[in-house]
Amino acid sequence: DAGVTQSPTHLIKTRGQQVTLRCSPKSGHDTVSWYQQALGQGPQFIFQYYEEEERQRGNFPDRFSGHQFPNYSSELNVNALLLGDSALYLCASRPPGGSPYEQYFGPGTRLTVT
Amino acid sequence: RKEVEQDPGPFNVPEGATVAFNCTYSNSASQSFFWYRQDCRKEPKLLMSVYSSGNEDGRFTAQLNRASQYISLLIRDSKLSDSATYLCVVPYNTDKLIFGTGTRLQVFP
Repeated sequence: DAGVTQSPTHLIKTRGQQVTLRCSPKSGHDTVSWYQQALGQGPQFIFQYYEEEERQRGNFPDRFSGHQFPNYSSELNVNALLLGDSALYLCASRPPGGSPYEQYFGPGTRLTVT
Repeated sequence: RKEVEQDPGPFNVPEGATVAFNCTYSNSASQSFFWYRQDCRKEPKLLMSVYSSGNEDGRFTAQLNRASQYISLLIRDSKLSDSATYLCVVPYNTDKLIFGTGTRLQVFP
């Protein structure tokens, strides 16, 4: 049973560019959340997708957007990249009706903005 | 006040030592709490959950003090493999997890 998978594992972009990160949830999971973890910090909640809609959002600008597909996979898009967007981006999924402790994290995508 | 606060450490302890981490939270309505472990450049993984006064799992004990709004994690008989960052987590709701900055533990021989 595959866990949460994310692609790519590493990415280097230039300021001003746009990036798309991808996440496939654990089998049977329908809710996907995205987190940003800057170096030396804990993960920060970006947003959550359920039934192809954004259900919750953290304190992130509109440059951060997302999408969820019918197969529950999800994308995180970041426009007009800033140096401060360099971080590990984590995707987490949980099953229908699951509790907070049932969130499973993927290995993350490490984004470097130069 | 931050929603979740932790001492970032690092805590450098010898094998076999007992070490404790504290975490304070601001939302007095929070009902559940978690400790996650994160190895270097890896994803966080759930270590323990705390719903009432405390929880024990082998060498690990998590305790909750609702009156003072803090959670602690005690690790007894530290192993080299315990070296990691320990993240205190307070769910804002079913899905939004609020993480502390993490406390780094380094166990040396």
